[in-house]
Amino acid sequence: AAGVIQSPRHLIKEKRETATLKCYPIPRHDTVYWYQQGPGQDPQFLISFYEKMQSDKGSIPDRFSAQQFSDYHSELNMSSLELGDSALYFCASSPTIPGLEFSRQYFGPGTRLTVT
Amino acid sequence: AQKVTQAQTEISVVEKEDVTLDCVYETRDTTYYLFWYKQPPSGELVFLIRRNSFDEQNEISGRYSWNFQKSTSSFNFTITASQVVDSAVYFCALNGGTASKLTFGTGTRLQVTL
Repeated sequence: AAGVIQSPRHLIKEKRETATLKCYPIPRHDTVYWYQQGPGQDPQFLISFYEKMQSDKGSIPDRFSAQQFSDYHSELNMSSLELGDSALYFCASSPTIPGLEFSRQYFGPGTRLTVT
Repeated sequence: AQKVTQAQTEISVVEKEDVTLDCVYETRDTTYYLFWYKQPPSGELVFLIRRNSFDEQNEISGRYSWNFQKSTSSFNFTITASQVVDSAVYFCALNGGTASKLTFGTGTRLQVTL
């Protein structure tokens, strides 16, 4: 079965640089979520999109922006990177049609971002 | 606001012991979903189970079992006859349903030794 694809899997950037993380949801999933997991912490919700519109927002820094495109893939853009942005970034997708699976989010493998 | 509490930060057991991971949640939603995820050292989040707020039946899957008690807002996870491969961080999580963000607990690190 198709899974959520995230690229790149690993990324090393220097302070003040910019990074772009990509997420390709499972086909026919129209909702995408982004989570940030710092070292030794639990995943924290950043932002979500439904049908290309932002549907919810968490504690996402102003330096970060995201969007969902017409093919439902999503990109998380991070500018002026700081050391504290080093984390594992997960993308998840879910369908919103009524049914048993709509409540479950399917997670990608994550992108490990290291800021030096 | 939703909250998930996993009071056990770290648990160490010897292989073949049974272990229970505790999860207590808070929500004002009448319809909600509870989840358990496993995060091995490789980092991916592995889905283990989902429970909706209207289904309080306990569930067993192999060596794993889950006890959902709405009266105490708890959703505990038991591993029977633990194995070294069970060593991981386990997260309990909660959401309010459709297109709703997940709120995670702080996780319990389980270390199973020989």
